[in-house]
Amino acid sequence: GDSVTQTEGLVTLTEGLPVMLNCTYQTIYSNPFLFWYVQHLNESPRLLLKSFTDNKRTEHQGFHATLHKSSSSFHLQKSSAQLSDSALYYCALRTQVVGQLTFGRGTRLQVYA
Amino acid sequence: AQTIHQWPVAEIKAVGSPLSLGCTIKGKSSPNLYWYWQATGGTLQQLFYSITVGQVESVVQLNLSASRPKDDQFILSTEKLLLSHSGFYLCASTGGAAETLYFGSGTRLTVL
Repeated sequence: GDSVTQTEGLVTLTEGLPVMLNCTYQTIYSNPFLFWYVQHLNESPRLLLKSFTDNKRTEHQGFHATLHKSSSSFHLQKSSAQLSDSALYYCALRTQVVGQLTFGRGTRLQVYA
Repeated sequence: AQTIHQWPVAEIKAVGSPLSLGCTIKGKSSPNLYWYWQATGGTLQQLFYSITVGQVESVVQLNLSASRPKDDQFILSTEKLLLSHSGFYLCASTGGAAETLYFGSGTRLTVL
């Protein structure tokens, strides 16, 4: 079945440093859709980024990610972390319209001053 | 744009008591609907999904059940709560390009 791997459970950074959260996936389908969701404390997850074209960079709110089918990856990056970026980040995979969106286990990003 | 309303916002219940959580979708006809659960500090766990009225598929039961009595309504329930049911319950619906998943604001359940 489909799977999403987020290797880091917790990433801690000093404000101003670059952010990179890893996401790799496995699927037999040739046209996957990948998403990043962000969940702040006591809130529900909200969509941050989505991409469904190979090697195309997608950007939103200072974050960016590029889907690389060759390496089955969709890493989340930001050039300079802010305190307000502290949250739980989920990578998710969709390969068919109906039924399941496969989530990774999530990476908690903690940004310190 | 679709909106997802969940009720109640929070519940404190006793072990062994019944539970009913609700979710209403506005702005999209015949939505695909989902229930997710998140233990405190834990990851998202899909519980159920439904693509049409009266049809619900279970992913992980956790001694819970779900029903879809109307096109725009999804209900999560149990007759007997366990301590392990505590957590954050999220209703979600798909929409837009690539059927993106959108979440409601959630219900925080504490079982004592």
